[in-house]
This record gives sequence, C-alpha cells and structure tokens, in this order.
Amino acid sequence: KAGVTQTPRYLIKTRGQQVTLSCSPISGHRSVSWYQQTPGQGLQFLFEYFSETQRNKGNFPGRFSGRQFSNSRSEMNVSTLELGDSALYLCASRTRGGDNEQFFGPGTRLTVL
Amino acid sequence: LAKTTQPISMDSYEGQEVNITCSHNNIATNDYITWYQQFPSQGPRFIIQGYKTKVTNEVASLFIPADRKSSTLSLPRVSLSDTAVYYCLVGDFGAGSYQLTFGKGTKLSVIP
Repeated sequence: KAGVTQTPRYLIKTRGQQVTLSCSPISGHRSVSWYQQTPGQGLQFLFEYFSETQRNKGNFPGRFSGRQFSNSRSEMNVSTLELGDSALYLCASRTRGGDNEQFFGPGTRLTVL
Repeated sequence: LAKTTQPISMDSYEGQEVNITCSHNNIATNDYITWYQQFPSQGPRFIIQGYKTKVTNEVASLFIPADRKSSTLSLPRVSLSDTAVYYCLVGDFGAGSYQLTFGKGTKLSVIP
C-alpha cells in the first residue's frame, strides 16, 4: 500500500507570496491532518480534515487555510508569506473509528526569502 | 490534552537497551499513551501505543504503571539506525476530533 505523498518536496517563495501544498493520504484513509515543524517551536498542529470538513484547528492565523476533496486529498494554503513561515510542513492520514495510528508523509520544506 | 515531560537527550552505546521515561501527571481516564520516532527531515513514525500495563511489538516495549502517570519506552539492543528523536504523546485518540500534540521529544544518540 502506498504511503502518504506530499508535493512539492521543496519550495522557495518570497515574502508576500502565497503557496499551496498538496497531500495525498493512504488509500482508504479519510482523515488528513497538517503540522508545521520548526527548530524553535517543534511540531505544531495546524488542522484536521475528515470527509471534506475541518474537524479541528490549531492556534495559527487565518493566513493558514486548508481544504479536502471528495477523494480525501488535501491542500494547505498559506497567504501573504512571512519569513517565519519557513518550515517543514507535514501531512498525516489515518482511518477513523478507533484506529489511533497516524501515518506521516515526507513533508514539504518551505523556505521564505 | 495532557502535558508530557521527557528528557531532552540521551546517549547510548550500540547493543544496549534504552529506556526513555515520560511523565504525564494529568492523564485522563480515556487517554492512551503513544510514542513516535522521527529521523531528520522525515515525518514522525508510529512506534507503539498502550493504555495500561505492558505492550510489546516487534520494535519496542511500553511499560505503564498502575497509576498511569508515567510510561517507559524500551528499545532493546539499539543500533546506530535508532538515532532519532522520540516523542511521547498522551490523548484520547478515539473517533472524535483528533489532534496530536508533540512536546520537544527526546533526542537519542547511539554511539558505536
């Protein structure tokens, strides 16, 4: 079974631009979560989607948004990029209904110049 | 979500058993204890999860005392490839809203 895939793997943007990251979950997984990882703050939860609905949201500004499609693929968008948005963005998927293991993708390394 | 405390770093020689203890004093009745492993520039990988007593799988064991206020991840006979950051997470990972809260983790360095 293929794992979680994320595209692109690396991205360089400049301040003020916007960016869209994509995540394809493991086949059959309907829950997708997004995390931001930086050396200073560690791994921080952004949001979770299930069946195209946002189910939970972390403490991030409105510049960070996401969506999920009917095939469970998810996208994350960051508008008006700031230098501090440089990070590794991780996507994770899981099944629901008692399955507690989350499967993480390799991440997208975003650099904001 | 319960707060967890674990050592920032640990060193071990190859072939030794490594025990990483995590404190979670305010664990709730429905909370499970889960451990993840992360290598540099990769996403975390699930290692093991338990609720009480002892759980063992092909890579690790998890020991949970009766009061559940702490837990110990045991890695038998570590190798250089076990060098990674290990995260302890506590939460009600049921069918409801699901959010993993990662602490700083324990950076394990395995020495030849």
